[in-house]
Amino acid sequence: ETGVTQSPTHLIKTRGQQVTLRCSSQSGHNTVSWYQQALGQGPQFIFQYYREEENGRGNFPPRFSGLQFPNYSSELNVNALELDDSALYLCASNVGTSGYNEQFFGPGTRLTVL
Amino acid sequence: AQTVTQSQPEMSVQEAETVTLSCTYDTSESDYYLFWYKQPPSRQMILVIRQEAYKQQNATENRFSVNFQKAAKSFSLKISDSQLGDAAMYFCAYRRTNTGGFKTIFGAGTRLFVKA
Repeated sequence: ETGVTQSPTHLIKTRGQQVTLRCSSQSGHNTVSWYQQALGQGPQFIFQYYREEENGRGNFPPRFSGLQFPNYSSELNVNALELDDSALYLCASNVGTSGYNEQFFGPGTRLTVL
Repeated sequence: AQTVTQSQPEMSVQEAETVTLSCTYDTSESDYYLFWYKQPPSRQMILVIRQEAYKQQNATENRFSVNFQKAAKSFSLKISDSQLGDAAMYFCAYRRTNTGGFKTIFGAGTRLFVKA
């Protein structure tokens, strides 16, 4: 069974650019969530996708957007990058929408905005 | 709004000893879920233990147990017989039961050091 994978591992962008981060969910999982983890802080929920539809969003501006594909993999897109977007971006997958279900996290993508 | 507070930025424990990590939260909900996650230096976060708020019995997973005090809104994690592999960041997390999705509120974390 393959776990959650993310690509790329590291990424360096400049302010104002756009970035796309990718996540492959664990086999059989139809729900994907994205989190932003700034250095020294806990993860912050960005949004969740369930069966290709956004199914919950945190306090992030519209320049953070996402997609989920029929195979349940997902993308996180961030437009007009700002310095404060520098963080570790975590993807997590699980089955269904029950909040008690275990989420499985990927290793993350480290984004640096210069 | 819900908040999760971990008041211990760092903790240290001797191998084979017991350590308790503290967590408090604030919510007006009566039913919710609480979690402890471990994030080792390699960064991949894993679930350590979870608790349903309507269950009074404290959850236990091998060497890991919680002390859930609902009235006090406290959810501490006890690690018994600490091992070197327990060294990591530990995050306490809260999730509503009726939220649209997996919106999880994490604390700032506690870094646990294990001394040989």
